[in-house]
Amino acid sequence: AQKITQTQPGMFVQEKEAVTLDCTYDTSDPSYGLFWYKQPSSGEMIFLIYQGSYDQQNATEGRYSLNFQKARKSANLVISASQLGDSAMYFCAMRDDGNNRKLIWGLGTSLAVNP
Amino acid sequence: AAGVIQSPRHLIKEKRETATLKCYPIPRHDTVYWYQQGPGQDPQFLISFYEKMQSDKGSIPDRFSAQQFSDYHSELNMSSLELGDSALYFCAVPGTSNYGYTFGSGTRLTVV
Repeated sequence: AQKITQTQPGMFVQEKEAVTLDCTYDTSDPSYGLFWYKQPSSGEMIFLIYQGSYDQQNATEGRYSLNFQKARKSANLVISASQLGDSAMYFCAMRDDGNNRKLIWGLGTSLAVNP
Repeated sequence: AAGVIQSPRHLIKEKRETATLKCYPIPRHDTVYWYQQGPGQDPQFLISFYEKMQSDKGSIPDRFSAQQFSDYHSELNMSSLELGDSALYFCAVPGTSNYGYTFGSGTRLTVV
C-alpha cells in the first residue's frame, strides 16, 4: 500500500534562514507524483511544488525546492530565506498514478517562523 | 479567474441533521475529488467523479453520498450527522499546469 510519512510534527526556524521538512514515501508503482502543499490557519490548501517520479532534476519553485532522493524514497521540501508568512502546516502528498490519481497525504508538519 | 468555489464556507448543524456541500470548478472540469480533513489531521480521500460517474471511493460513510451534475458542479450530501463529521471538506480538480491539483477553500462543517 502507498504511504507518506512526515516525521516532524512541528518545526521552528528563524526568519531568513532555510528549513528542511522531511517526507518519505512508499509505493510499488514506478510512476507517481509527489507534491507539497501549504495550509495556513485560514484552512486553504495551497500547492507549492511537484516532483514526478521520472524527473531527472529536483523541482524548484522560487524559494521552494524539493530534494528528491529516489533510492531513499524521500522528497524533502527546502524553504530558503524563511518569511513570517511561511508559518503554516505543510503536507507532503503522493499521487496514486495507478488508481484514479487521488492524493495520499502525510500527517503534516507545523512550521513556525520566528522573527 | 480559474479556481474552485465551495459553498458554504462555514456550516453549523445539529446531530442527526443533514448537510449539502457544493463545489463549482471554474472552468468546468470532468474530474472532481472530495476530501475530509478532521481537526489536526491529514486530508482523507472520500470520493471522486469522472464525467459524472463515480470513479473511486475512499473512506466515505454510507450516510454520505455525492454526485457530479451535468454542469460539472458537484455536491456532497451528508445525513444523520454525527459529532465526528465535524471537519474541513475540500473538493479539488486536476490543475492545468504543474501537475498540481486546485483545491477549493473548503467548507468547515461543525456538528453540535
